[in-house]
Amino acid sequence: EVQLVESGGGLVQPGGSLRLSCAASGFIFSNYAMTWVRQAPGKGLEWVSSITASGGTTYYADSVKGRFTISRDTSNTLSLQMNSLRADDTAVYYCAKGMTNRWWTFDSWGQGTLVTVSS
Amino acid sequence: EIVMTQSPATVSVSPGERVTLSCRASQSVRSNLVWYQQKPGQAPRIVIYDASTRATGIPARFSGSGSGTEFTLTISSLQSEDFAVYYCQQYNNWPITFGGGTKVEIK
Repeated sequence: EVQLVESGGGLVQPGGSLRLSCAASGFIFSNYAMTWVRQAPGKGLEWVSSITASGGTTYYADSVKGRFTISRDTSNTLSLQMNSLRADDTAVYYCAKGMTNRWWTFDSWGQGTLVTVSS
Repeated sequence: EIVMTQSPATVSVSPGERVTLSCRASQSVRSNLVWYQQKPGQAPRIVIYDASTRATGIPARFSGSGSGTEFTLTISSLQSEDFAVYYCQQYNNWPITFGGGTKVEIK
């Protein structure tokens, strides 16, 4: 069974940093593209960042480019380093797994971790 | 950026009724369109991919159609567990974009 468990969320001041992690299990992590999607309170879904299975290519939404960094490692962990955080980064952050041959179709999601940016 | 527009924002339906949700893309996304279901306090769940293919475990009452810029998700006979928010997502072009969602509520 595929499991994705996010961690690392919390309260941070504007301008601060936070590192989110997503522990993956139940599938061969290195074979699948992975993505972060966020959802501000009471709002819709917003794509944040994606990384290919090899980790060789990354993609970012304009709203986070230059501030966030996505990465993955051989311990089956997806990470999102978030710097220069702003109030509008407040959201639940989900990690999501891509499908085989449809990398940007998300067939499994974690339960999410809440990031609150506030002074 | 491709803008995904969903309509209506909210639809009120009685159990057992049929409902059709719409998703429009600002330019063609071919069939690179996904539908997700999200219930309060839960993560999204994939319902339809490739515009018309049901995901694993999704009941046959869910169907998707369309290509290019116009897409629909139809639930043929609403069950209590289907009341939720539905999002469409395109992945034909970067950035990946989601529609604003349609809430299916009990009438």
